[in-house]
Amino acid sequence: DGGITQSPKYLFRKEGQNVTLSCEQNLNHDAMYWYRQDPGQGLRLIYYSQIVNDFQKGDIAEGYSVSREKKESFPLTVTSAQKNPTAFYLCASTPRDRDRPQHFGDGTRLSIL
Amino acid sequence: EDQVTQSPEALRLQEGESSSLNCSYTVSGLRGLFWYRQDPGKGPEFLFTLYSAGEEKEKERLKATLTKKESFLHITAPKPEDSATYLCAVSGAQKLVFGQGTRLTINP
Repeated sequence: DGGITQSPKYLFRKEGQNVTLSCEQNLNHDAMYWYRQDPGQGLRLIYYSQIVNDFQKGDIAEGYSVSREKKESFPLTVTSAQKNPTAFYLCASTPRDRDRPQHFGDGTRLSIL
Repeated sequence: EDQVTQSPEALRLQEGESSSLNCSYTVSGLRGLFWYRQDPGKGPEFLFTLYSAGEEKEKERLKATLTKKESFLHITAPKPEDSATYLCAVSGAQKLVFGQGTRLTINP
């Protein structure tokens, strides 16, 4: 079955450490997205990519970085510059048409040690 | 600025007690409104897309409707397995904006 796979499910970060969250999709979708979800808040867009080797900042990109070297993969790195990284991170994808619904992975929960 | 507000924040119902969740929006150039269901510790699961005022979609005990200012998710005779957070998202001319969600609990 086609879908989006996020790993790991749980991740712990030490102070000063960069960590990378994996997102892989086999839906043949062009566009991929990273969101952050905090309790009581809507999903906030971190980065998105509409095509390989190209990506744009979302509303809260500071302290995060991404790459899009393959159509199927869109990893997110949470850098030490992100001072409040504890959150639930969701990866999503769509065909290039933005009017189609986004498909989501099952998320990675990141916590500070 | 595009905005999406969902109400109530939380709703507790008895099994079989019908009700509605609200999604109010202000957006320039509506391209689509999406409803999702999210279970704890999981990603959102797509339910419906609505594109124009007057449109309605149904799936089992859920029915979504759309006007020019808001969308309703009606739940008829809910069961405990309908307990989840329901998210609304609106696609405007510029981007997709999510509401904060309504946490629905159905007591047996």
